[in-house]
Amino acid sequence: EAGVAQSPRYKIIEKRQSVAFWCNPISGHATLYWYQQILGQGPKLLIQFQNNGVVDDSQLPKDRFSAERLKGVDSTLKIQPAKLEDSAVYLCASSLRSETHNEQFFGPGTRLTVL
Amino acid sequence: AQKITQTQPGMFVQEKEAVTLDCTYDTSDQSYGLFWYKQPSSGEMIFLIYQGSYDEQNATEGRYSLNFQKARKSANLVISASQLGDSAMYFCAMRPYGGFKTIFGAGTRLFVKA
Repeated sequence: EAGVAQSPRYKIIEKRQSVAFWCNPISGHATLYWYQQILGQGPKLLIQFQNNGVVDDSQLPKDRFSAERLKGVDSTLKIQPAKLEDSAVYLCASSLRSETHNEQFFGPGTRLTVL
Repeated sequence: AQKITQTQPGMFVQEKEAVTLDCTYDTSDQSYGLFWYKQPSSGEMIFLIYQGSYDEQNATEGRYSLNFQKARKSANLVISASQLGDSAMYFCAMRPYGGFKTIFGAGTRLFVKA
């Protein structure tokens, strides 16, 4: 089966610009996650969707970050305006359901550099 | 607050030998799941193994086993017969039952020497 797709793979922008990332989860996976991984750290959950509804966005900086999941399938994560500290890899993951034991399948990530 | 601690920033192991990667966690939840993921230089996180807090047996998946000691709140990953392809970052993670947020440790970089 096809894995989680993300685009772009790399993005370089200047601070105060906006940027958007796209994620296509594995077909049939109801749960979608966006993580931020800063260099040298583990991934940090930004937002989790169950179908097209948000179930956790407690760590999403809502003043500049937004995310949506269109029709319960694809998702986009937007940053506007970007700050230097947003430089990180943004990982998208999906799982069949939201139960704890369900493994998450990760995409290759988008590496964002903010200058 | 929940927390995952991986105290080994880097580990070296000789090819074909076994290696243990340490993970301790802190949680007030009684029921939770523990995960290990591998992240090669390509960047993609790969699921390795899962252990539920109520599972009596330690989880095993091929060359991977999880040494789960609930009273000590540790969930160490054991890789047997290391291979060069095992060189990567390894992350321990935890998620409470019924909860949504998975938290990850800072990771351990494993180097396998030929």
